[in-house]
Amino acid sequence: QKEVEQDPGPLSVPEGAIVSLNCTYSNSAFQYFMWYRQYSRKGPELLMYTYSSGNKEDGRFTAQVDKSSKYISLFIRDSQPSDSATYLCAMKQTGANNLFFGTGTRLTVIP
Amino acid sequence: DAMVIQNPRYQVTQFGKPVTLSCSQTLNHNVMYWYQQKSSQAPKLLFHYYDKDFNNEADTPDNFQSRRPNTSFCFLDIRSPGLGDAAMYLCATSYGISTDTQYFGPGTRLTVL
Repeated sequence: QKEVEQDPGPLSVPEGAIVSLNCTYSNSAFQYFMWYRQYSRKGPELLMYTYSSGNKEDGRFTAQVDKSSKYISLFIRDSQPSDSATYLCAMKQTGANNLFFGTGTRLTVIP
Repeated sequence: DAMVIQNPRYQVTQFGKPVTLSCSQTLNHNVMYWYQQKSSQAPKLLFHYYDKDFNNEADTPDNFQSRRPNTSFCFLDIRSPGLGDAAMYLCATSYGISTDTQYFGPGTRLTVL
C-alpha cells in the first residue's frame, strides 16, 4: 500500500466551478500536510500548509485535514483557467525530513 | 526574486556520459534536497544535506552523488546515466527539517539519448 493515495484524474471543470481534490494516507504519524501546485514542466509551488486536523483558508483555496479518517482535501472556489495545473498533496511526520507526495491530480479549467 | 534556481533547465546527455545538475538558493536555508520526478509520478527524494551533513535515502542508486560546497549551492552528479534516469530533477530547500516547508526550484529536465 502506498503511503499517500491521490486520484490522478484528469479532472476537467468549467470556469467558476468549485473543485475538490483529495488524498488519503495510511501513516497516522503524519502531522504536516501540504498542497503544491505544479504547472507543466515547472517545479512544485507551495499553495497551502496545515498542521494536524482542521481547516485553513487562503483566498479561493481551502485546505481541510481529517486525521481520524486519514483524509485531506483542497477546495478551489470560482476556479479560473489559470488554476489549470497538477495539484500534489504532500505530508510529513514531526522531526522527519522526508515529504511523502501523492502522484498529483491534473486539473483543467475550461473557459 | 527567484529563490531556488536550477541550471540548466533542460539537459541532454548520452547514455553513460556523466552529467552535473546545479542548484542555488538565496534563502540562506540550512537544508537542500534533491528529488527525482518521472512523468505522472510523485517526486522521489534522493538525498538531502543539512548544512554539510549528507543524508542518502536507502534506495537511491550509487550512480547518484551530490556535493554541497557552500550554503548556497548544491550539485547532483549522475555518474553513468541510463535511459531510466531520464526525469525531472527538482531541488528544494527548507530552513530546518522538523516543521519547515520545502521550497522547490523550477527543475531540470534530463533527457538521456
